[in-house]
Amino acid sequence: ETGVTQTPRHLVMGMTNKKSLKCEQHLGHNAMYWYKQSAKKPLELMFVYSLEERVENNSVPSRFSPECPNSSHLFLHLHTLQPEDSALYLCASSQDRQGAFGGELFFGEGSRLTVL
Amino acid sequence: AQTVTQSQPEMSVQEAETVTLSCTYDTSENNYYLFWYKQPPSRQMILVIRQEAYKQQNATENRFSVNFQKAAKSFSLKISDSQLGDTAMYFCAFMKHLGGATNKLIFGTGTLLAVQP
Repeated sequence: ETGVTQTPRHLVMGMTNKKSLKCEQHLGHNAMYWYKQSAKKPLELMFVYSLEERVENNSVPSRFSPECPNSSHLFLHLHTLQPEDSALYLCASSQDRQGAFGGELFFGEGSRLTVL
Repeated sequence: AQTVTQSQPEMSVQEAETVTLSCTYDTSENNYYLFWYKQPPSRQMILVIRQEAYKQQNATENRFSVNFQKAAKSFSLKISDSQLGDTAMYFCAFMKHLGGATNKLIFGTGTLLAVQP
């Protein structure tokens, strides 16, 4: 079992659908992240949660809505997406400490999203 | 803003040979971390090696080592004795401290490395 688990692994949805991506970490970490990975582009950081509080939102369109109910779970709710939103969505977690950084991010295998 | 540049989209190396992947970055910060991550075809990203900017000594992890040139803002990865299992996409990344206990990892576009038998 990997430390960070993402479901579903593959998702196909129409532009009017509402779906959610789920991420669960079993590592006892206190920070979780959503990244978008598109071909030939750098991974784009979408959201950062630290101790269940959103601390970073990189100008992500409102059709993406994150939710972090506790430190082990992270969701990405999807609504009225566009075809250009098709990508691999990666979840990651890390153990961050006040006053220190440099901790490794642990990634899940990703959810491959296709928007028709 | 911090940026990370990987100028080699694809590289190929023969098994048992040595290959170097390049990475440059841009930042005005003095204290930061640099990482190389590997993403095999199964897609899970895993850490290869990490370098603290205030340490002059280059990090090494078995067959993987870095050449960290802080003044030049260069952070290359050397893979010695390449193995077939090294075939993957390699991402260079810069870690920025956001404050408190929160960090931000900024990635380059990646280099696809193919190890040939």
